[in-house]
Amino acid sequence: SAVISQKPSRDICQRGTSLTIQCQVDSQVTMMFWYRQQPGQSLTLIATANQGSEATYESGFVIDKFPISRPNLTFSTLTVSNMSPEDSSIYLCSVSWMDVESSDTQYFGPGTRLTVL
Amino acid sequence: QKEVEQDPGPLSVPEGAIVSLNCTYSNSAFQYFMWYRQYSRKGPELLMYTYSSGNKEDGRFTAQVDKSSKYISLFIRDSQPSDSATYLCAMSLGKLIFGTGTRLQVFP
Repeated sequence: SAVISQKPSRDICQRGTSLTIQCQVDSQVTMMFWYRQQPGQSLTLIATANQGSEATYESGFVIDKFPISRPNLTFSTLTVSNMSPEDSSIYLCSVSWMDVESSDTQYFGPGTRLTVL
Repeated sequence: QKEVEQDPGPLSVPEGAIVSLNCTYSNSAFQYFMWYRQYSRKGPELLMYTYSSGNKEDGRFTAQVDKSSKYISLFIRDSQPSDSATYLCAMSLGKLIFGTGTRLQVFP
């Protein structure tokens, strides 16, 4: 596994503004992902952050709303743009190495708790 | 029908009890099965990972997979108050699909 940190840990934002969440890993990883966890619901994959290229978004999520960067193998950012109260959620990054042993297992950061007023 | 169904609980048990947490799934193509533990205001922590049908044991935890019934379980023996958390099952088919989580409370 690895040490995964996220900044900020929590924030309260005004409607219409944007927030960028950072995810830092202490070792190089193959894959980085961004999830949303809304109260009482399961984790939902927003996108896969691809190093050096555009992220791969899941159905229902678009780049204009959730732009993602991954400039190297240890760092990624997720921006929540033009926020509305419906964006209030916990945002989580996860990583995996995709080697033979661990395959699809993912390890999660501590999460960013976002409240939009 | 959701791809992964999990009883949300809450499940409240006394210390020392055996806990059984369960998930059912609809897609027989799922290949890998995981259990995560999530404490309040923390990220999910990987507990168990298994591929094949059968049992996998790690300390007080046993993960069981029955692919023919599309059913997975996590058993916790000698449960402790520190086991109080939400337990999420997850299944993989290129990407992870999570259950909604079962909230477990172990009281002294």
